[in-house]
Amino acid sequence: GNSVTQMEGPVTLSEEAFLTINCTYTATGYPSLFWYVQYPGEGLQLLLKATKADDKGSNKGFEATYRKETTSFHLEKGSVQVSDSAVYFCALSDQGFQKLVFGTGTRLLVSP
Amino acid sequence: ETGVTQSPTHLIKTRGQQVTLRCSSQSGHNTVSWYQQALGQGPQFIFQYYREEENGRGNFPPRFSGLQFPNYSSELNVNALELDDSALYLCASSTSGSVDEQFFGPGTRLTVL
Repeated sequence: GNSVTQMEGPVTLSEEAFLTINCTYTATGYPSLFWYVQYPGEGLQLLLKATKADDKGSNKGFEATYRKETTSFHLEKGSVQVSDSAVYFCALSDQGFQKLVFGTGTRLLVSP
Repeated sequence: ETGVTQSPTHLIKTRGQQVTLRCSSQSGHNTVSWYQQALGQGPQFIFQYYREEENGRGNFPPRFSGLQFPNYSSELNVNALELDDSALYLCASSTSGSVDEQFFGPGTRLTVL
C-alpha cells in the first residue's frame, strides 16, 4: 500500500541554521503531498502542500518540491527560529483522496 | 469562523469500557475524518463521514464506530477498550470529502488503564 518515510529525529539546530527534513513516499497513481506541523499539546496544522509533480509548496519560509522521479518531498527552510520547534509530518492523499497517510514525524528542536 | 473543536480534552478509561468522543466541524464543512495517533507515531486513518454516511474506513476493527449528525458534527465510539487504544484521537473536517483542505481539531487524549 501507499506509505511515507521520514528521517528520524530529533533534528537539533541553532537559530538561523538551514533546515532539511527528508521525506520519501511510495504510492500508486498521483497523490497530493503535504507537510503538517504539530506544536506541543496541539493538533495538526497544514504547513504546505503540492498537488502534482514539480509543484513547489511554500508557507512561512518553508518550501517543499514534489519530485516524482525521486519520489520525494523534502521540507526546507533557510533560517529556522526557536518558534519552529515542533513535530513535522509528511503525508500523502490516498484512497481517492479520502484519507491522509502520514509518516512517523520528525521532531525539530531549535535552540537560541 | 469557528474552527474544529473536540471534547473532551482528556479521558481516562479502564479496559473493557466504552468511550464516546465528539467533534464539531468547521463552519461550512460537511465531512469529518477521524485519526488515531499513538505516542511517537503519525496519525492513522480510522474512517470518514460525508453527509452522515461512512465514506471510507481504515484498518480498524468494528468496535470502532462513528456517527455524523445533520449539523455535520460527529462522534467516535470505541467499545471493549484495550490498552493499545491509548492515543490522541484527532478529527478533521473538510468539504466534499477532499483531504486537500482538511482542518484538524486539537484532539482528545485517551488513556486506557
